[in-house]
Formats: sequence, C-alpha cells, structure tokens
Amino acid sequence: KAGVTQTPRYLIKTRGQQVTLSCSPISGHRSVSWYQQTPGQGLQFLFEYFSETQRNKGNFPGRFSGRQFSNSRSEMNVSTLELGDSALYLCASSSGQPGGNTIYFGEGSWLTVV
Amino acid sequence: ILNVEQSPQSLHVQEGDSTNFTCSFPSSNFYALHWYRWETAKSPEALFVMTLNGDEKKKGRISATLNTKEGYSYLYIKGSQPEDSATYLCARMDSSYKLIFGSGTRLLVRP
Repeated sequence: KAGVTQTPRYLIKTRGQQVTLSCSPISGHRSVSWYQQTPGQGLQFLFEYFSETQRNKGNFPGRFSGRQFSNSRSEMNVSTLELGDSALYLCASSSGQPGGNTIYFGEGSWLTVV
Repeated sequence: ILNVEQSPQSLHVQEGDSTNFTCSFPSSNFYALHWYRWETAKSPEALFVMTLNGDEKKKGRISATLNTKEGYSYLYIKGSQPEDSATYLCARMDSSYKLIFGSGTRLLVRP
C-alpha cells in the first residue's frame, strides 16, 4: 500500500510570506503528526492530529498551525515566515492508538526561507 | 535523564565489524521506544517499536533490547555492511502521543 506522501517536496519562500504543506497518511491511519528537522535541533515535534482533533502540540510559536480533514489528510501552515523556519518538515502517520504501533514517516518537505 | 540521549554521536567501522549504539531516556511515563534508520534524502525507516521491559527484537542482522526501569535501549548490528551506513535514531513516546527523538548516531561502514 502507498506510504506517507508529502507535497511539495521542495519550496522556496520569502520572509514574511506564509506556506502550506500537505500530508496524505497511509490508508486507514487516523493519526498524523508533524516534525521539524533543523541541523542544530534535530527532530522536533510540532503537533499531532487524530480524527480531525489536535491531541498535542509542541513548543512552537502560534505562527505554526495545522489541521486534519475527514479523510485524515493533514496540512500544516506557517505564517509570517522567518529565516529560522528553513527546515525539513516531516509528516508521520499511524493508527493513533496508544502503545506499540509503528509510526511511518514521509520523505518530507524542504522549506527554504530567503 | 531528562531528554533522549544517544551515543556515540558517530561511528566509523569496517565492513564485517559488529557494532552497537545506546539510547538513554526518562523512564517515567514511558509508553514505547522507537528505533529508526534514516538515510540521506529518504524517509526515516521504522526498525523496531518496543514497549515492555526486557523486550528484544530482531530484524535480519539488526537487533535491539529495552530496559524501561533504568531507561536505556541498545541497538546491535552484526557483521556491518556498507549499506548499513545511515543515521540511527531512537525516540521515546509517552502518554502524549509524541515522539521525542535523540540526536542520532551516524554510522559509516567502510568497505
């Protein structure tokens, strides 16, 4: 079955603009989570959605937001982009049940802010 | 331990060598420990998910153990091959459904 799909794969934005990234989870998965990878910080948790509800949020400013649709597809939005937002954004999907379920990652969206 | 810590940060071995890495994590409110293998320009590949103290899992030449009471996990690679070269990440999950990642161990296997 198809894996986690993220679009776009690469994008360049200007400071002050906003960006929307999309994630299609594995079929049947109801949980989608987002992570940011920067060279200095490693993988940092942004937020997690389950059945259209945000269950948890990481320590990121309010400029970072997300949502999940009824088909489990998710989008994340970053407004008023800053140079420090340049990063790899990874989406992950799982069944969302507690315990030992595998969490599968997409290939990510590379964002460059200039 | 307050955060997830991995050691060593990087490792260079010869083809055929066996190697192991360590992941240390807070033992309180523990749900699961995940191991990933991440090659450049690819998505992180799930290796193992472990939940119970004493868990041991194996996938080909790679195996992992878990000690939840003292908060550590070991990943072993037997007879390393050049294709094993990658960054190996561990991540702890607690009741909040988020993964807290370590900074990874970068493995380079020389032919």
